[in-house]
Amino acid sequence: DAGVTQSPTHLIKTRGQHVTLRCSPISGHKSVSWYQQVLGQGPQFIFQYYEKEERGRGNFPDRFSARQFPNYSSELNVNALLLGDSALYLCASTRDWVANTIYFGEGSWLTVV
Amino acid sequence: TQLLEQSPQFLSIQEGENLTVYCNSSSVFSSLQWYRQEPGEGPVLLVTVVTGGEVKKLKRLTFQFGDARKDSSLHITAAQPGDTGLYLCAGRNAGGTSYGKLTFGQGTILTVHP
Repeated sequence: DAGVTQSPTHLIKTRGQHVTLRCSPISGHKSVSWYQQVLGQGPQFIFQYYEKEERGRGNFPDRFSARQFPNYSSELNVNALLLGDSALYLCASTRDWVANTIYFGEGSWLTVV
Repeated sequence: TQLLEQSPQFLSIQEGENLTVYCNSSSVFSSLQWYRQEPGEGPVLLVTVVTGGEVKKLKRLTFQFGDARKDSSLHITAAQPGDTGLYLCAGRNAGGTSYGKLTFGQGTILTVHP
């Protein structure tokens, strides 16, 4: 079975633009979480979704939003991009929202210029 | 706000040496995960510890979860150049509105010289 898959792997955007990042969890996993990892730091929690409902939100501005689809895949949207949004965006997959084993995708590298 | 203090931040050793990385917090976690991350890639899960006092071994790596589930350690025996990478500990929330949230430490960059 495939692991967590994310797309695109790399992208460059201009300040003020909008970006959509996509994630497909491991087959059979129903919960997806999003994390932001700035260079030199550990990942920071953005959102968790389970069964298409938001189950947790980190300390990020309203420019960040996400959703989960019936097939459990997910999108992370960021509006009005700032230079500081440049980071590796990671998607994590778990069987359900209480499972302890959490797997990460390869990430989407976003550069805002 | 839950915090995980990971130390040391940098570790540069010779092949064959032993090392220990620590993660400490004042908060209780339902579980703790250790990941290894290569440059430009996502974190790869090494182990999950759940029970206070639990010890898990993965070849030359030994992971321990503190009795109170607030701290953890990773010990590597006879380090090899292939062990080089960023090691991250992450605690999973024990409750509240963000039950599934992982709180990460700052990471330890390990370099093992041949």
